[in-house]
Amino acid sequence: GNSVTQMEGPVTLSEEAFLTINCTYTATGYPSLFWYVQYPGEGLQLLLKATKADDKGSNKGFEATYRKETTSFHLEKGSVQVSDSAVYFCALPGAGSYQLTFGKGTKLSVIP
Amino acid sequence: DAGVTQSPTHLIKTRGQQVTLRCSPISGHKSVSWYQQVLGQGPQFIFQYYEKEERGRGNFPDRFSARQFPNYSSELNVNALLLGDSALYLCASSLGTGAVSSGANVLTFGAGSRLTVL
Repeated sequence: GNSVTQMEGPVTLSEEAFLTINCTYTATGYPSLFWYVQYPGEGLQLLLKATKADDKGSNKGFEATYRKETTSFHLEKGSVQVSDSAVYFCALPGAGSYQLTFGKGTKLSVIP
Repeated sequence: DAGVTQSPTHLIKTRGQQVTLRCSPISGHKSVSWYQQVLGQGPQFIFQYYEKEERGRGNFPDRFSARQFPNYSSELNVNALLLGDSALYLCASSLGTGAVSSGANVLTFGAGSRLTVL
């Protein structure tokens, strides 16, 4: 079935540093890909998505490009802020059409 | 507009007990999904309902059950609780049938119900 492998955390960065969180996937065909973010004490929020190969999803300064050649969907941000401290999850549709399969999450801590 | 609301936010049960968790979707959303998030892991799919019908079920034992009401709210029931059921239970709602494969139906999650089983 479909699965994602996410970079293990935790990741600690200084404010204004460059962020990359790696995500690779295994899937049949070319499913939509997602990044969700979970701030402390909150539920998951959709950060960005890409629905086909070579698409770039972007939101709040974060970007991820759907690379079918490398089966990857790495999350990047040029300059992180303390407010970006959260857990980030890569996801794709699971075995059925109605479920998402999530990675284990990468905890990001940004220090001033 | 209110987002996805879940209740209770926290609860403590003992092994063998039963628990009911509740979820109200965003107004206009007809699909509700349930996920279990164990500490340090990503959410795992439990159920998805659309128009009161079960559309999908994850790899969970029969102790887990759910239903959706005419107003599209939902309940998740877990019987005979085990220590391993301790987790954050997340509810998500979406428009339409809830199919996520195309990316058109975005899941909006609630803050979750944190269950501790002692």
